[in-house]
Amino acid sequence: DVKVTQSSRYLVKRTGEKVFLECVQDMDHENMFWYRQDPGLGLRLIYFSYDVKMKEKGDIPEGYSVSREKKERFSLILESASTNQTSMYLCASSLEGAHSYGYTFGSGTRLTVV
Amino acid sequence: GDSVTQMEGPVTLSEEACLTINCTYTATGYPSLFWYVQYPGEGLQLLLKATKADDKGSNKGFEATYRKETTSFHLEKGSVQVSDSAVYFCALSDRGTGNQFYFGTGTSLTVIP
Repeated sequence: DVKVTQSSRYLVKRTGEKVFLECVQDMDHENMFWYRQDPGLGLRLIYFSYDVKMKEKGDIPEGYSVSREKKERFSLILESASTNQTSMYLCASSLEGAHSYGYTFGSGTRLTVV
Repeated sequence: GDSVTQMEGPVTLSEEACLTINCTYTATGYPSLFWYVQYPGEGLQLLLKATKADDKGSNKGFEATYRKETTSFHLEKGSVQVSDSAVYFCALSDRGTGNQFYFGTGTSLTVIP
């Protein structure tokens, strides 16, 4: 089975800190995605990547950046954390043909910014 | 643009009751349709999928049929269990828009003994 591993299940950070959320997948998937999940808002796409060193903005990229230096790793960076970035963050990956196979998600990182 | 609309929750059912969670979609191309399930504190897991019209996806007693004429992909289960308590997400992926998925807002299901 494909595994998508997010480095932390729970994180507490202070306002203004630089925060790194790490995601690693082990099945050579081309595509990787970062979502945030908030009650009543569902899943919102932050950034995605279709290849190494490539990134595309999703629906809510403001306040975030990403890095994909290796195919298996996709990092989400909060340059200066703010309380409105308190959320559940979900990483996902897929093969090129995502419409046939779907996404595989990690277990999520619940980030609290105080 | 593409979008998914699913029934708002929360839904509370007694064990062994029938479940239907409605999902309708709008797509410009030829979408594939998916249901994902999220158990408390976890990420999303693929529950079932259908890649073309009239296909039926099924898994763990859940079923959904891709109906192009009504643009729907309703999730059904004949007899729910307490362990089915979770949040269910309908999603589509449209070949015309690459690999991006569009998710519904999720429907929370609680099954009581």
